[in-house]
Amino acid sequence: KNQVEQSPQSLIILEGKNCTLQCNYTVSPFSNLRWYKQDTGRGPVSLTIMTFSENTKSNGRYTATLDADTKQSSLHITASQLSDSASYICVVSAIGAGGGNKLTFGTGTQLKVEL
Amino acid sequence: NAGVTQTPKFRVLKTGQSMTLLCAQDMNHEYMYWYRQDPGMGLRLIHYSVGEGTTAKGEVPDGYNVSRLKKQNFLLGLESAAPSQTSVYFCASRTADRPKETQYFGPGTRLLVL
Repeated sequence: KNQVEQSPQSLIILEGKNCTLQCNYTVSPFSNLRWYKQDTGRGPVSLTIMTFSENTKSNGRYTATLDADTKQSSLHITASQLSDSASYICVVSAIGAGGGNKLTFGTGTQLKVEL
Repeated sequence: NAGVTQTPKFRVLKTGQSMTLLCAQDMNHEYMYWYRQDPGMGLRLIHYSVGEGTTAKGEVPDGYNVSRLKKQNFLLGLESAAPSQTSVYFCASRTADRPKETQYFGPGTRLLVL
């Protein structure tokens, strides 16, 4: 069964500090891995996407890494801001037929940035 | 360009009542999806559509029906609501440029079934 596990479940950091969120997956056959940001009461918004051949991808202060051998990914947030407070969801796509790739969603890491 | 919109934003139903959630996208996307999001669980796929006039079951389709009569709209119906269907429902649509397909999500519909 395809699974995506994220850690930690929740995290509180001070504004300006860095943090790293983890994602482990058992999804096969692997197509791509995406990190989404979901603000409270809103839909998820894509931050980064990586295919099998990519091991790092940046989007401003967000940097995602992928180790396809160990099936692990991380999302590093640099110089955090209050607006970074959100749930960060790891989504792994498996190659599928018909309706396209099948997505497996992690449960998310709830990040809170405080003054 | 509004992206993906959902109607209504919030609804309270009594057990046994029916309702339809509407999703609309203005990006000319072929694929559209309905998910539900529950506390402590990842988003789960209810139904999806790969084009106008087509629908298919996802991971948790029981108790729901869908229709895609127009390319830009995807409707999710609950014929007889149950408390277990209390959830936040998200619609999404996507481009077809594999392998980096991008799903764009709507703002969600919060449903409470009493």
